[in-house]
Amino acid sequence: DIQMTQSPSSLSASVGDRVTITCQASQDISNYLNWYQQKPGKAPKLLIYDASNLETGVPSRFSGSGSGTDFTFTISSLQPEDIATYYCQQYDNLPYFGPGTKVDIK
Amino acid sequence: QVQLQESGPGLVKPSQTLSLTCTVSGGSISSGSYYWSWIRQPAGKGLEWIGRIYTSGSTNYNPSLKSRVTISVDTSKNQFSLKLSSVTAADTAVYYCARDSSGWLIHWGQGTLVTVSS
Repeated sequence: DIQMTQSPSSLSASVGDRVTITCQASQDISNYLNWYQQKPGKAPKLLIYDASNLETGVPSRFSGSGSGTDFTFTISSLQPEDIATYYCQQYDNLPYFGPGTKVDIK
Repeated sequence: QVQLQESGPGLVKPSQTLSLTCTVSGGSISSGSYYWSWIRQPAGKGLEWIGRIYTSGSTNYNPSLKSRVTISVDTSKNQFSLKLSSVTAADTAVYYCARDSSGWLIHWGQGTLVTVSS
């Protein structure tokens, strides 16, 4: 099975800061990587698909990059409504999730 | 717009079988090339993919749960179901159903909490 790691596991940043989360796969998954946002008590929401494509309706401050085994998710200017846990998810074979990164406001 | 809604008992006794149903509205479960998935999340923890069923009826399961999981579909009711046998407290979680479009989980149910306790 493909294992996914994420770092950091949590972070605190100020409004307006640039926030970066990394996700690493245990083997090459090409660009079969999605990013989700989950707010407390809510189902996850797809933000980025195929590593770098912004889902319709998602603000442009969210972006993704990478391929192979190393991927990056960025919030260019953190907003209060971005407080959530972010998960990467690979679908090279079966759809496994990373452990998540909790983002808070400092 | 497709919508999904989980339903089933909120409390299951240890060693029994957890049974949940996901009702799909806004589209036919048998149309299009979609997988219909179950994902769970213990309180304060991450997302665990449980398994999925394709419109053809073929299934994939998480190897860690495979021996206890069965996912089935009832096209006449536009529903798909999850059965998880021999449950323990470790199976206590919010259970989500979702539509999987070639790996993209765009449409999700709101989730339902299942507690395993005597």
